[in-house]
Amino acid sequence: IVLTQSPGTLSLSPGEGATLSCRASETVNNNFLAWYQQKPGQAPRLLIYGASTRATDTPDRFSGTGSGTDFTLTISRLEPEDYAVYYCQQYIDSLRTFGQGTKVEVK
Amino acid sequence: QVQLQESGPGLVKPSGTLSLTCTVSGGSMDDYYWGWMRQFPGKGLEWIGYLRYSETLDNPSLRSRLSMSSDRSKNQFSLSLTSVTPADMAVYYCVRYARGGLYCDSWGQGILVTVSS
Repeated sequence: IVLTQSPGTLSLSPGEGATLSCRASETVNNNFLAWYQQKPGQAPRLLIYGASTRATDTPDRFSGTGSGTDFTLTISRLEPEDYAVYYCQQYIDSLRTFGQGTKVEVK
Repeated sequence: QVQLQESGPGLVKPSGTLSLTCTVSGGSMDDYYWGWMRQFPGKGLEWIGYLRYSETLDNPSLRSRLSMSSDRSKNQFSLSLTSVTPADMAVYYCVRYARGGLYCDSWGQGILVTVSS
């Protein structure tokens, strides 16, 4: 399953909202899709699983929605610590795949 | 809180074998799936595979060169990738999967492996 994330880069100011898209080439059954956040020099960190369930310690300004082939990660109000690269990953297929990432940068 | 730490050579010669070990602390390996991911210099992430007891699942593109094992008495699991080429240069992460082997809920800090003579 190929995951395509858009946009590649999102330039936003603190306090603004962010909408990140992840589109799958096939239906991701059971909403087996996760979102990870990666900051420079760090490992990815799980944010969302099951398309919409926040992981432990994920702030509620992060929300995941979607089903089928279209999924969205929304950050309601950007905090300074939210500037990072975000990856989606599907885990319904035995060959787990990631999107190429969306970078959220300071405008 | 579980912690994972990768160890192994940071430099491997072409055609050689890449061998990494992940040490798990702060929790038991029982009942979880454990595995490996890698991230290429261009930042793309690739799933390598996972194991739990004798059950394994791996990336078909790596299967012929890949071996994974665990030593629960030492709280460690390992990765071996043979016949490496410069295309295998990446940051390798060991990971823990949430129960059921679905998504990764813990990651090691990663280890950069360079393939060069």
